[in-house]
Amino acid sequence: KQEVTQIPAALSVPEGENLVLNCSFTDSAIYNLQWFRQDPGKGLTSLLLIQSSQREQTSGRLNASLDKSSGRSTLYIAASQPGDSATYLCAVLNYGQNFVFGPGTRLSVLP
Amino acid sequence: DADVTQTPRNRITKTGKRIMLECSQTKGHDRMYWYRQDPGLGLRLIYYSFDVKDINKGEISDGYSVSRQAQAKFSLSLESAIPNQTALYFCATSDSGSGGEKLFFGSGTQLSVL
Repeated sequence: KQEVTQIPAALSVPEGENLVLNCSFTDSAIYNLQWFRQDPGKGLTSLLLIQSSQREQTSGRLNASLDKSSGRSTLYIAASQPGDSATYLCAVLNYGQNFVFGPGTRLSVLP
Repeated sequence: DADVTQTPRNRITKTGKRIMLECSQTKGHDRMYWYRQDPGLGLRLIYYSFDVKDINKGEISDGYSVSRQAQAKFSLSLESAIPNQTALYFCATSDSGSGGEKLFFGSGTQLSVL
C-alpha cells in the first residue's frame, strides 16, 4: 500500500529565501506525482504534475523534481513571497490505484 | 466560472438529517471523486466514479452514498448525518485520456453536523 510523507510539517522563512519542500513515497511504481497548494478553508490548486517518465517540471518560480528510484520528489520555491504562504500537498498515483495524498507542509513566508 | 463547482459552500445540519452535496464540472472529464479533509488526517477518499455507470467505494464510504447523474454531475449523500461527519468535503475530477490524470478540485463544502 502506497504511503506518502512530507517533511517538514511546517516551515517559516523570511521573504526572499529559496526553499525546498520534500515528498516521499514507498511504492516507486507510480504513474504520476502532483503538487498542490491549499489556502486555509479553500480548495486545492494544482501547481505541477510530473509524469513517471519525467524528471522535473517548472512553472514560474516553482520547480518540482522526481526521483522514482529513491521514492522522492522535491518542490523548490525560488525567491519566496508572503503570498506563497499556504499548505503544500503532494499526491501520488500508482497504476491501477487511486491518488494517495501526503499530509502537507504548512509554509509561512514572513515579510 | 469555476470548472468544478460544489454546492453548497457551507452547510449546518442536525444529527439524523439526510443531506446531499452536489458537484458539477465543465471540464468534460470522465472521472470524479469525493474526498473529505479533517485536521491531522489529511485527504481521504469516500467514493469515486470512472464513468456514469461505474461507482466505487473509497477507504471511508460507510455512512455515505453517491449518485452519478451524468458525466458532469456527481452527488454525495449522507443518509443520516452524525457529528463525526463534520469535515471539509471536496469533489475532484480527472481525465483518463490526454489529461495525464491531472486532478482538479472544487472549492469545497464545509459541513457541520450538530
